[in-house]
Order: sequence, then structure tokens, then C-alpha cells
Amino acid sequence: GQNIDQPTEMTATEGAIVQINCTYQTSGFNGLFWYQQHAGEAPTFLSYNVLDGLEEKGRFSSFLSRSKGYSYLLLKELQMKDSASYLCAVRPYTGRRALTFGSGTRLQVQP
Amino acid sequence: KAGVTQTPRYLIKTRGQQVTLSCSPISGHRSVSWYQQTPGQGLQFLFEYFSETQRNKGNFPGRFSGRQFSNSRSEMNVSTLELGDSALYLCASSLGPTLTSGSSNEQFFGPGTRLTVL
Repeated sequence: GQNIDQPTEMTATEGAIVQINCTYQTSGFNGLFWYQQHAGEAPTFLSYNVLDGLEEKGRFSSFLSRSKGYSYLLLKELQMKDSASYLCAVRPYTGRRALTFGSGTRLQVQP
Repeated sequence: KAGVTQTPRYLIKTRGQQVTLSCSPISGHRSVSWYQQTPGQGLQFLFEYFSETQRNKGNFPGRFSGRQFSNSRSEMNVSTLELGDSALYLCASSLGPTLTSGSSNEQFFGPGTRLTVL
């Protein structure tokens, strides 16, 4: 079976740093994705990890530990526009694009 | 480059009816996947198409079906609609066929079709 867990909601302050955790148990592993979804909009791609370690992209970083089934998304210098849902997704099958998503973490950035 | 387009954006149907949703992928993308998003279940995979062939199917009843055309456009159909089918249906496109090692080959999502079943 596939199971991906992430916190339901988080609150942080503008200018601060926030870390959103994701743990997964899937039948296979061929990459982990983070997507951002603003209310009423489509998910947009943020990051991809397939090897252990940290991937940095501007204010956003994502970390993966395959042995622990664990990832986190780090958002620095938070801005009000970062208020959104953050979706952790695993691609379990080699050669197939199907993603298994967590339920998403709703982040509220306060002034 | 235009993004993924989905039509219609909003749809209201009644129980027992059927519905067809359409998706046009990004130009040059040949893989199309469909997802259902509900507040309770989150994003769930429906099916994946490449070269007019279904490559993968999620755990949904047979009332949910789809197809892909030679121009990579895709449609999904839901027959005998139930109240629980009310959801946002998202289409995602990506390059295909081979997932390049080390490359994300990420999926790009369309704006979705909001289906309400009354």
C-alpha cells in the first residue's frame, strides 16, 4: 500500500523560516515531489528529490532521506504569497508517472 | 508555450447522468494523467495515458474511463454519476515516454474541472 503523511496545518510569520515534514511508506520509490497549490488553483511544481540530500532552489529547499522515508520542504524569508497548501507526492513506479499524494499541509503566513 | 487546458472549468450534473471532461496537454507533451481532488481524500490518481494507450490505472470503479487521441488530447468519462463524484478533476501532462534518469520529468497541472453532482 501507499501512505504519505504530512501535517494538516501550519502557521508562520512573515520573514521567518518554516519546515514542512513528509513521511512516506510506498511499495516503490522513484522520486519525491513537492507541489504548491493556492486555493482554487492548480498545483505547481516546486521541487524534486530522488537521491538523499538537500536540493536548494532560491527560497525553497527540499531534503530527502530514503532510508528513513522522510522529506521536508524548507521555506525561507516567508512572504504573504506563500500562504498555500503544500503537497508531498511520491512517484512509486519506475517508468510510470503516476504520483501518490499526501493530503497536503495548509500554510498560513501571518504579518 | 501555452499550459495545460481543461474544459469545461465548471460543471453541474445530477445523479445518474454521465459527464465527459477534456484535457489538452502542453505542446510536445505526450503523457497525460488524471487526478481527482476532494477535501476528504486529497489528490488521487485516476489514470495515465501515453500514445493513446492507458499505461496505469488507479483504484477507481469502472464508471471512470478515459482515452487519449493521436494529438495527445485526452478525455475522461464518468458514467452513472454519484454524489461522491463531486470533486475537482485535474489533468497533468509531462514529456514521454522514457523517464530520464536524474530528471524530474515533473507533471504540469491544468486548472481543473470543478464537477458538482446534485
